[in-house]
Amino acid sequence: SQTIHQWPATLVQPVGSPLSLECTVEGTSNPNLYWYRQAAGRGLQLLFYSVGIGQISSEVPQNLSASRPQDRQFILSSKKLLLSDSGFYLCAWSFPRTLTDTQYFGPGTRLTVL
Amino acid sequence: AQSVTQLGSHVSVSEGALVLLRCNYSSSVPPYLFWYVQYPNQGLQLLLKYTTGATLVKGINGFEAEFKKSETSFHLTKPSAHMSDAAEYFCAVREYGNKLVFGAGTILRVKS
Repeated sequence: SQTIHQWPATLVQPVGSPLSLECTVEGTSNPNLYWYRQAAGRGLQLLFYSVGIGQISSEVPQNLSASRPQDRQFILSSKKLLLSDSGFYLCAWSFPRTLTDTQYFGPGTRLTVL
Repeated sequence: AQSVTQLGSHVSVSEGALVLLRCNYSSSVPPYLFWYVQYPNQGLQLLLKYTTGATLVKGINGFEAEFKKSETSFHLTKPSAHMSDAAEYFCAVREYGNKLVFGAGTILRVKS
C-alpha cells in the first residue's frame, strides 16, 4: 500500500527566513505530486504539481518554489518568507496516467510566519 | 475552466438528523467529482468519487452523493449524523490533466 509523509508537522518562522518543506511517497512509482496551501477560510489553493522528476508546473506566481529531486520526493521552498505565507501546506499524490485522478493527501504542515 | 460552488460555509445539524451538503460544479467536459473530508489539523481523506456509471455513489462512513447532470450538482448526504462527522467537507471536480479544482469547503457542526 502507499503512504505519504510530510515534515515537519508544524513550523514557526520569522519573516524573511528561508523555508523547506518535504514530502515523500512510498509504495508507488512515478506518482503525480502536488503542493496545496490552505489559508484560514479560503479552501485549497494549488501551488505546484509535478508529473515527473524535474518537471514542475506553477499555478500561482509567488515567492515559493518547488523541486522534485527524486521520483517520490517533492520539496517546497522559499528564500524569504512573507507573513502571507502562513497557512496549512498539504502535499498530495495521484497515480500517473489514470483517468480517475483521485488525489491522496498527506497529514500537512502548519506554517506560522511571525 | 472548471469550478465548484459549495453552498453554505457552515452547516449545523442535530445528532441523528439528515446531513445535506450542497455542491454545484461547472465543467466543459464530462465531470469526475469528488468529496473529501478534513478533520482539524489533518490532511484530506477521500469520502467518495463519481467517474462514470451509476449516478448514486456510496462512500465511507455512511455518506453518499448523487450526480445530477441536469442540475450540475453533486450533493453529499448522510441519513443520520453522528458526532464524529463534525469536520470540514470539500467538493472537487477534475480539471484538465491531473488537477482537481476544490470548492471553498463546508464546515459541518453536529449538535448533541
